[in-house]
Amino acid sequence: EAGVAQSPRYKIIEKRQSVAFWCNPISGHATLYWYQQILGQGPKLLIQFQNNGVVDDSQLPKDRFSAERLKGVDSTLKIQPAKLEDSAVYLCASSPIYGSYEQYFGPGTRLTVT
Amino acid sequence: GENVEQHPSTLSVQEGDSAVIKCTYSDSASNYFPWYKQELGKRPQLIIDIRSNVGEKKDQRIAVTLNKTAKHFSLHITETQPEDSAVYFCAAQRDNNDMRFGAGTRLTVKP
Repeated sequence: EAGVAQSPRYKIIEKRQSVAFWCNPISGHATLYWYQQILGQGPKLLIQFQNNGVVDDSQLPKDRFSAERLKGVDSTLKIQPAKLEDSAVYLCASSPIYGSYEQYFGPGTRLTVT
Repeated sequence: GENVEQHPSTLSVQEGDSAVIKCTYSDSASNYFPWYKQELGKRPQLIIDIRSNVGEKKDQRIAVTLNKTAKHFSLHITETQPEDSAVYFCAAQRDNNDMRFGAGTRLTVKP
């Protein structure tokens, strides 16, 4: 079974620039999550999709962050404009069904904002 | 929302000793408690989990205990090995998949 795929793996941008991350979940997984993991901290949920609908985006800074999962499969997370404090690893995870189940994480995208 | 606290933040043990990491949660509706291991530069990987209808679960050298009344759960690693060195995260989750993670414990196993 192929795992969760993410790209790019690394990205360096200047503050005020825009950046986009892509995630392809495990085939058939209905639920998809984006997390932000700042160095030395646990992952923080940004947004959760069930198929192509948003279940929870209460911790997403909506003035600069956006995410979509148009066809209920792949997802993109965008930051526009980026700030220095956005430097973090952005993890995508997926889960087979709705409910309390194991989440499978992708390798993450390490973003550095200079 | 849910708040998960994890202690200690760092733990150093001698190879062969046991390691215990503790977490507390605030939301009584949480019913799923996974533990993830994250090696440097790698993705978090599930090592064990427990649901609210169970008090203890064991998998070889790893065990998790849950006290729903006190809202705390613990990870126990016995006979630690150098390859157990990593950051361990606890998490608590409700039925709507709103998973909240602890801040992590950096475990170092000295040979």
